[in-house]
Amino acid sequence: DTGVSQDPRHKITKRGQNVTFRCDPISEHNRLYWYRQTLGQGPEFLTYFQNEAQLEKSRLLSDRFSAERPKGSFSTLEIQRTEQGDSAMYLCASSTREGYTFGSGTRLTVV
Amino acid sequence: AQSVTQLGSHVSVSEGALVLLRCNYSSSVPPYLFWYVQYPNQGLQLLLKYTTGATLVKGINGFEAEFKKSETSFHLTKPSAHMSDAAEYFCAVSSYGQNFVFGPGTRLSVLP
Repeated sequence: DTGVSQDPRHKITKRGQNVTFRCDPISEHNRLYWYRQTLGQGPEFLTYFQNEAQLEKSRLLSDRFSAERPKGSFSTLEIQRTEQGDSAMYLCASSTREGYTFGSGTRLTVV
Repeated sequence: AQSVTQLGSHVSVSEGALVLLRCNYSSSVPPYLFWYVQYPNQGLQLLLKYTTGATLVKGINGFEAEFKKSETSFHLTKPSAHMSDAAEYFCAVSSYGQNFVFGPGTRLSVLP
């Protein structure tokens, strides 16, 4: 069990560029979640997958954001036309009924 | 809808003193309650959780929390603070099949 892996750990991008993050969950976990955490705040729910199906999306997930989990294993989160307000830590978690395991996050800085 | 409040965005204690971090929740269904710790530039690490059964829950690093339904509380305690406990602590509420709702967090400082 290698835990939940996120790549990259840090990303600095210019405003207007597209970025993509990857999350590899624990292999036997069928649920995968994306959260966003801004400085000094708790994580906020973005979206979640049950296997490959995206079952819920927060209103925080604007049309510039898209998430996929094509084979029910790893997931990607893409942000198009990044804005400075997108700067945050993006956390991935996977779970079974027993609870969540979080990855270490991807810190995005939009300059 | 579920929500979490954490009283005190910043708590300071002396090394060896009692740690008490407060969490109150709102939930229309039986809640699952969690405490997570986050060190700088790290993800969240589970300290402890309550789902069903015993209301006093023991976690890692000497932390424990008690679920009090009548008070809608799930306060986190540790008898004796250690310097390594300095971090951000998040309380979260969920229920079966539901997403987590996190509180705003409490930063714990431990003074020598």
